[in-house]
Amino acid sequence: AQSVSQHNHHVILSEAASLELGCNYSYGGTVNLFWYVQYPGQHLQLLLKYFSGDPLVKGIKGFEAEFIKSKFSFNLRKPSVQWSDTAEYFCAVNGDNYGQNFVFGPGTRLSVLP
Amino acid sequence: KAGVTQTPRYLIKTRGQQVTLSCSPISGHRSVSWYQQTPGQGLQFLFEYFSETQRNKGNFPGRFSGRQFSNSRSEMNVSTLELGDSALYLCASSSGTEGYQETQYFGPGTRLLVL
Repeated sequence: AQSVSQHNHHVILSEAASLELGCNYSYGGTVNLFWYVQYPGQHLQLLLKYFSGDPLVKGIKGFEAEFIKSKFSFNLRKPSVQWSDTAEYFCAVNGDNYGQNFVFGPGTRLSVLP
Repeated sequence: KAGVTQTPRYLIKTRGQQVTLSCSPISGHRSVSWYQQTPGQGLQFLFEYFSETQRNKGNFPGRFSGRQFSNSRSEMNVSTLELGDSALYLCASSSGTEGYQETQYFGPGTRLLVL
């Protein structure tokens, strides 16, 4: 079965530190990849997505992610985090046989200390 | 363009009761998917509706059902509620016409507490 794993359950950083959140998926076919963010008390919002083309994709709020097909990975990065980035981050995969069944990772909680 | 809306936002029910949740997708979107989010299991796919038909289904018992109306609004029903059904139920909408290359947009969710 398809699955998505996220390396860290909880990450704690100080403001201005660099961020990298890991995401790995298991599926041998063509995939679309997403990162969603859930701020405290708010709904899931799309940060960025990869469908095809340049494996380095840029999203909102200074986030970017790199798709490495050989490693089945789609890691999220931000060079300098802010306190307002405190949230839960979810990696999601939709494969070419999934239909609309997005498979989500367990999430990584990011706490940014001021 | 208005986003995905879900009603009600909060619900408290007791075991054995049933509940109906509602979702209105983004205007023009024809696909509505439902997810259950719990601290232990994370986000799990329930089912997807497109043009009033269930097009995809996750691995949940038959107590969980849904339907979609001609205006693309969707309802989800859970019968014979169990304590373990306490969760945040999320609705997501997408155009439904781009195969697997879709982007889902999520509503704020309905938080259900079963006592």
